[in-house]
Amino acid sequence: EAQVTQNPRYLITVTGKKLTVTCSQNMNHEYMSWYRQDPGLGLRQIYYSMNVEVTDKGDVPEGYKVSRKEKRNFPLILESPSPNQTSLYFCASSKLAGGPEYEQYFGPGTRLTVT
Amino acid sequence: AQSVTQLDSHVSVSEGTPVLLRCNYSSSYSPSLFWYVQHPNKGLQLLLKYTSAATLVKGINGFEAEFKKSETSFHLTKPSAHMSDAAEYFCVVSEASYQLTFGKGTKLSVIP
Repeated sequence: EAQVTQNPRYLITVTGKKLTVTCSQNMNHEYMSWYRQDPGLGLRQIYYSMNVEVTDKGDVPEGYKVSRKEKRNFPLILESPSPNQTSLYFCASSKLAGGPEYEQYFGPGTRLTVT
Repeated sequence: AQSVTQLDSHVSVSEGTPVLLRCNYSSSYSPSLFWYVQHPNKGLQLLLKYTSAATLVKGINGFEAEFKKSETSFHLTKPSAHMSDAAEYFCVVSEASYQLTFGKGTKLSVIP
């Protein structure tokens, strides 16, 4: 089954404790992206990647890091989480060939709480 | 720069009546436009997309949207609401950069 998986689905942590949220897709997609969803703000892009070793900032990159060492994986790293990073996080992927009209496939989400 | 405005944060309809969720966009290029749906505690699912072909786009579950360039709108409609349509809906615009810009969402409530 074609899918995007994220782990963990739920995470409660404390300020300053480094954490990683993993994202993996099995569709051989070149493009992967991370979003955060906050009430009343919709989804905002954190980082995206056009291919292996190619990453770029989205609209709200501060406090986050990413890496793309393999095509299927795109982990999101919070080196020193703060309470304002409490949010619902989504990973997404899509094909690049043919242009931006290809739909993005979303993972199930990771609900992060930073106390 | 691209942007999206969803004109209603909350819409409430009775079961069996039409649904209209409004979306206006701003884009410097010919954009791709999408509607996504998010059911409670679920991820996002693509409802439909416009990619410069037909201006009237049909999606899943009886939804459709019409691209109106002169009005910079991409409103989502459905002739008859069902209880299972209760969810949050996001209008999304994408230019050549592949970056998606989401609207803030419209919560649809369906009253039995």
